[in-house]
Amino acid sequence: VLTQPPSASGTPGQRVTISCSGRSSNIGSSTVNWYRQLPGTAPKLLIYNNSQRPSGVPDRISGSKSGTSASLAISGLQSEDEADYYCAAWDASLTAWVFGGGTKVTVL
Amino acid sequence: QVQLVQSGAEVKQPGDSVTISCKASGYTFTTFALHWVRQVPGQSLEWMGWINGGNGYSELSEKFQGRVTITRDTSATTAYMELSSLKSEDTAVYFCARFREGWAAFDYWGQGSQVSVSS
Repeated sequence: VLTQPPSASGTPGQRVTISCSGRSSNIGSSTVNWYRQLPGTAPKLLIYNNSQRPSGVPDRISGSKSGTSASLAISGLQSEDEADYYCAAWDASLTAWVFGGGTKVTVL
Repeated sequence: QVQLVQSGAEVKQPGDSVTISCKASGYTFTTFALHWVRQVPGQSLEWMGWINGGNGYSELSEKFQGRVTITRDTSATTAYMELSSLKSEDTAVYFCARFREGWAAFDYWGQGSQVSVSS
């Protein structure tokens, strides 16, 4: 339901941005969360309430939202950032949590 | 520390049912909801439903209504998700996740339970 680019990449130290596009019933009327998933592991919360970081998440990771779109930015890219990233929001029309298709970040 | 520990991998045949458990520790079980999310191999995350740890109220995604039952045992601090009439398309990893209401986000996740459905 939420649209993300399938892939993104950058060299160490660069900044990578991932977009997440939705509609008025989800992103447009709800907060957005971002999760990181390493292969074979459970997702981990990176950003909640559009731009808030849980304790332990470095400040080089940031989130923003505008209208029916949101984005996640990772600056100072590191090899440990190689993972799949998912956006999520509550959809009031579907009365369900919806996720993006996921973006695979590769560190070149 | 908060931990959600799920039951192990299951292999089932089409038409079977499977029940996955999610044992919570490190927090007051009755003050948080637990949600269930699944991930088909190579695909994104799919929300299935949730249960209130305190009063046991549950809600399901429309897609899973009639096939999924979510329950909890407060004395065991464990939530359960039963999926019935299994099909091959139900082959996936199933996660439980704690919902932090003030953040409106899933702040802790179980390690996942692999369910394989094959004849």
